[in-house]
Amino acid sequence: AQTVTQSQPEMSVQEAETVTLSCTYDTSENNYYLFWYKQPPSRQMILVIRQEAYKQQNATENRFSVNFQKAAKSFSLKISDSQLGDTAMYFCACTLSYNQGGKLIFGQGTELSVKP
Amino acid sequence: EAGVTQFPSHSVIEKGQTVTLRCDPISGHDNLYWYRRVMGKEIKFLLHFVKESKQDESGMPNNRFLAERTGGTYSTLKVQPAELEDSGVYFCASSQEFTLPDTQYFGPGTRLTVL
Repeated sequence: AQTVTQSQPEMSVQEAETVTLSCTYDTSENNYYLFWYKQPPSRQMILVIRQEAYKQQNATENRFSVNFQKAAKSFSLKISDSQLGDTAMYFCACTLSYNQGGKLIFGQGTELSVKP
Repeated sequence: EAGVTQFPSHSVIEKGQTVTLRCDPISGHDNLYWYRRVMGKEIKFLLHFVKESKQDESGMPNNRFLAERTGGTYSTLKVQPAELEDSGVYFCASSQEFTLPDTQYFGPGTRLTVL
């Protein structure tokens, strides 16, 4: 069975600094997808970034990038130049590829506070 | 384009009562998922519809939970009778593609409190 673990329940960072959120996962599959979602206070959860396991290159989306270590089953999220609007709950998630329905397996979440 | 909507946003009921949650996915999205987050724990999968068919209901906790998606549009999740441990936030998500793990778009969630 797949599991996703986020070991940092809470984190804080100063505005404009860089922060890294940790995520590890466990799966016996070779083809899977990894995601980071964010849920700002009282707002909907939105996708931040996704990574296909077969791609070696780390995904990036503007200030957000991942460090994907397949052998170590690690998928950390780096937020550069943190902004107040980055304050949110961040969830790491995993899903299997093809014909598995795409259901997401989530970690416990990391609550990130960006301080002015 | 309208996003995923859920109704109600909050529901407070007594133990033993019935509650029905509704989800309207993004128009044209064949995939509809229900998830639940209980007591600040991880978000857990409940079930997955492809159009009106249940593709995977392995996450449904017990037979007090009934999900439907008549006509392949909106979906309802009924809890009958509700128990204290059913309290939590129920999320709905939708996506377009089936053969590939497509991005899932989430609704704002329904916060259910069972007293």
